[in-house]
Amino acid sequence: KAGVTQTPRYLIKTRGQQVTLSCSPISGHRSVSWYQQTPGQGLQFLFEYFSETQRNKGNFPGRFSGRQFSNSRSEMNVSTLELGDSALYLCASSSGQVEGYTFGSGTRLTVV
Amino acid sequence: AQKVTQAQTEISVVEKEDVTLDCVYETRDTTYYLFWYKQPPSGELVFLIRRNSFDEQNEISGRYSWNFQKSTSSFNFTITASQVVDSAVYFCALTRTSTGANNLFFGTGTRLTVIP
Repeated sequence: KAGVTQTPRYLIKTRGQQVTLSCSPISGHRSVSWYQQTPGQGLQFLFEYFSETQRNKGNFPGRFSGRQFSNSRSEMNVSTLELGDSALYLCASSSGQVEGYTFGSGTRLTVV
Repeated sequence: AQKVTQAQTEISVVEKEDVTLDCVYETRDTTYYLFWYKQPPSGELVFLIRRNSFDEQNEISGRYSWNFQKSTSSFNFTITASQVVDSAVYFCALTRTSTGANNLFFGTGTRLTVIP
């Protein structure tokens, strides 16, 4: 059973640019959640999508957005990048019930 | 509000020693789930265990064991006979049981270093 796939693995962007990260969940899983991990703030919830609908959203500015496609793949977008957006972005896949979340290896974003 | 506290920022032990990682949580929900994840240097969060608030039985899985005590709001994790491969950052997390509100609240993590 393939795990959660996040692409790209590493990314370097310039302040002011925008970026799109991708997450392919485990086959059959309809829930995809996104988390930001930084040394200062730790792991913080961004948003969760279930069957193409955003079900829950964390406390992040509107520059952070996401979407989910009919095949459950999800993308998150960050516009007008700031230096503070440098982080490891992790995607978690689940079947939609509280049984456990399987995380991908993450995308490490560096904003310069 | 949900909150998870992992007071131990870093722990170093010599191989084969036992080590306990502490986790204290706060929640007003009567039903909730607790998790432990391991994050090796590769960055991926590896699921270790899930426990719901109604199940206070301790659990043992190989060298790993977990002690859940609702009375003290703690969910501690013990590694017996530690190995170098156990070196990683360990996170305790909490989520409420609610359809559509399944986000995890993480502690700040404990970095475990096992010295050969």
